[in-house]
Amino acid sequence: DVKVTQSSRYLVKRTGEKVFLECVQDMDHENMFWYRQDPGLGLRLIYFSYDVKMKEKGDIPEGYSVSREKKERFSLILESASTNQTSMYLCASSDSFGTQETQYFGPGTRLLVL
Amino acid sequence: GENVEQHPSTLSVQEGDSAVIKCTYSDSASNYFPWYKQELGKGPQLIIDIRSNVGEKKDQRIAVTLNKTAKHFSLHITETQPEDSAVYFCAAKGFQKLVFGTGTRLLVSP
Repeated sequence: DVKVTQSSRYLVKRTGEKVFLECVQDMDHENMFWYRQDPGLGLRLIYFSYDVKMKEKGDIPEGYSVSREKKERFSLILESASTNQTSMYLCASSDSFGTQETQYFGPGTRLLVL
Repeated sequence: GENVEQHPSTLSVQEGDSAVIKCTYSDSASNYFPWYKQELGKGPQLIIDIRSNVGEKKDQRIAVTLNKTAKHFSLHITETQPEDSAVYFCAAKGFQKLVFGTGTRLLVSP
């Protein structure tokens, strides 16, 4: 079974702090994604990566950056956390061939910025 | 870019009834339409998907239909059970990425 793990289930941070959210997948997937989930807005894509050291902006990249130094790990960085970044953050991964489109999600990190 | 609309936002049914969730998409080039189920405290999980060369697909109690001309697709759950209670998301694959609907909270009452 594909397993996507996220470093924290819950995080509480202060405005202005630098925040790191870590995601690891164990299926050697090429593609990794970061989404945020807000009530009434569904899942919105922040950033994605198709290969190591490669990144592409999604629909809402402002205020975020990412890092992919190893194939299995994709980090989301909030350079200076703000209250409007309070949200559920979901990481996902998918293969590049065959069932390329199927994305496997982690359990999510619920971030509260005070 | 792609835009996906999903209705209804909430749906309450009695156990044993059928449930239908509908989505529309805007990009006629989209060719892949998955449905995800998110249970409380968990990430979304794929339950069924359909590609644009197919009109209908079934897997036990769930089915998905696709109307490419009208650009809409639907999820049908028959003989609902309390464990079907969850949030359901549709999605459409536009250029390079999936675009998700806003979700439907399904509540199945015993």
